[in-house]
Amino acid sequence: GESVGLHLPTLSVQEGDNSIINCAYSNSASDYFIWYKQESGKGPQFIIDIRSNMDKRQGQRVTVLLNKTVKHLSLQIAATQPGDSAVYFCAENTGFQKLVFGTGTRLLVSP
Amino acid sequence: NAGVTQTPKFRVLKTGQSMTLLCAQDMNHEYMYWYRQDPGMGLRLIHYSVGEGTTAKGEVPDGYNVSRLKKQNFLLGLESAAPSQTSVYFCASMDPGNTQYFGPGTRLTVL
Repeated sequence: GESVGLHLPTLSVQEGDNSIINCAYSNSASDYFIWYKQESGKGPQFIIDIRSNMDKRQGQRVTVLLNKTVKHLSLQIAATQPGDSAVYFCAENTGFQKLVFGTGTRLLVSP
Repeated sequence: NAGVTQTPKFRVLKTGQSMTLLCAQDMNHEYMYWYRQDPGMGLRLIHYSVGEGTTAKGEVPDGYNVSRLKKQNFLLGLESAAPSQTSVYFCASMDPGNTQYFGPGTRLTVL
């Protein structure tokens, strides 16, 4: 079946460092991927997305990379700030307007 | 433009009691979703709706019912609450580009 997983449950970085959060997916037919940020006590917030016809997309301080060959997705956050501390989820569009979410990676940013 | 709102924010029920969670969106989105989120896990889809008057089962529909009488509202009902339904419930709506926007969540405890 389809699944979305994450390599690391917790990532600790120093303020100013670059952060990389990884995600693996298993459904090779998935055509759309999204990264969400969830702060404590809040709902997931859209960060950035990428479609399967792209391998890289950049936003403000964030970059998503997609490697379809190995079914791997990553989120890069440049110059990580304390406000970036949260749980990050990748999500996979299964093709029926439904998303499958990974279990999340907690990013801890220390000053 | 409030986005996606949920009521109530918190609720405590006794086993066997019933309740309804309300989700409202003001973005004129066709698709709406109900998820539950348990500690250390990603979001799991309970039910969803592709338009007014339609509903469909997600990954974990047992013990829940939904209704979409108006396009802007999506109700989630628990007819006989069980402790296993203790969770945080999130509602989302999706734009035509397949991006889902989430509400702030409802924290439900069933004793």
